[in-house]
Amino acid sequence: GAVVSQHPSRVICKSGTSVKIECRSLDFQATTMFWYRQFPKKSLMLMATSNEGSKATYEQGVEKDKFLINHASLTLSTLTVTSAHPEDSSFYICSAQVSGQSYNSPLHFGNGTRLTVT
Amino acid sequence: KNQVEQSPQSLIILEGKNCTLQCNYTVSPFSNLRWYKQDTGRGPVSLTIMTFSENTKSNGRYTATLDADTKQSSLHITASQLSDSASYICVVSWGGGGSQGNLIFGKGTKLSVKP
Repeated sequence: GAVVSQHPSRVICKSGTSVKIECRSLDFQATTMFWYRQFPKKSLMLMATSNEGSKATYEQGVEKDKFLINHASLTLSTLTVTSAHPEDSSFYICSAQVSGQSYNSPLHFGNGTRLTVT
Repeated sequence: KNQVEQSPQSLIILEGKNCTLQCNYTVSPFSNLRWYKQDTGRGPVSLTIMTFSENTKSNGRYTATLDADTKQSSLHITASQLSDSASYICVVSWGGGGSQGNLIFGKGTKLSVKP
């Protein structure tokens, strides 16, 4: 149980275009989902906290107009990288917590999306 | 400053051998400490979660320890297998609030198990 599906797993896009990444909780509801970015050999960096039905909370230094987050349902959050540039190339991962569980409960991660901007 | 430091950065061991990975943290107020396994190009998978009052927790061949006084944790892997090759990430949660956004991720230890 507690599976998080992230799609696509890999995407290559041209500079200036937008890319949408989906994060779905398949067998549980997730009021809150998290989006991370990971550079090679680096730790995960939290980008934003996505809350169902409300605006996302962005970490300091993350451009909210560039990384649009929508959490329209209890099982789906999307991250759209707008006007992508080569420096946006990275590994993006989402995670979700089962609604109602305490903060001592596990986070369930998607398998990530490798974004390459040419 | 809240930090999580892991050592070693990388480790190579032979299949069947044991190993121990270290995690030191300076996170306050402490809520819980987690160990995750991340295969290359995949998302992390939870191994253990320990709160302040727990000093050891096992998950199969993985045993995590926590010393909240010295702010140190270790992950011991017994009888390693080739499939244990991955990055192991120590994550400390702080604040005790309702959000899991208060997580500090370590950089991970890259373990390679050779036949």
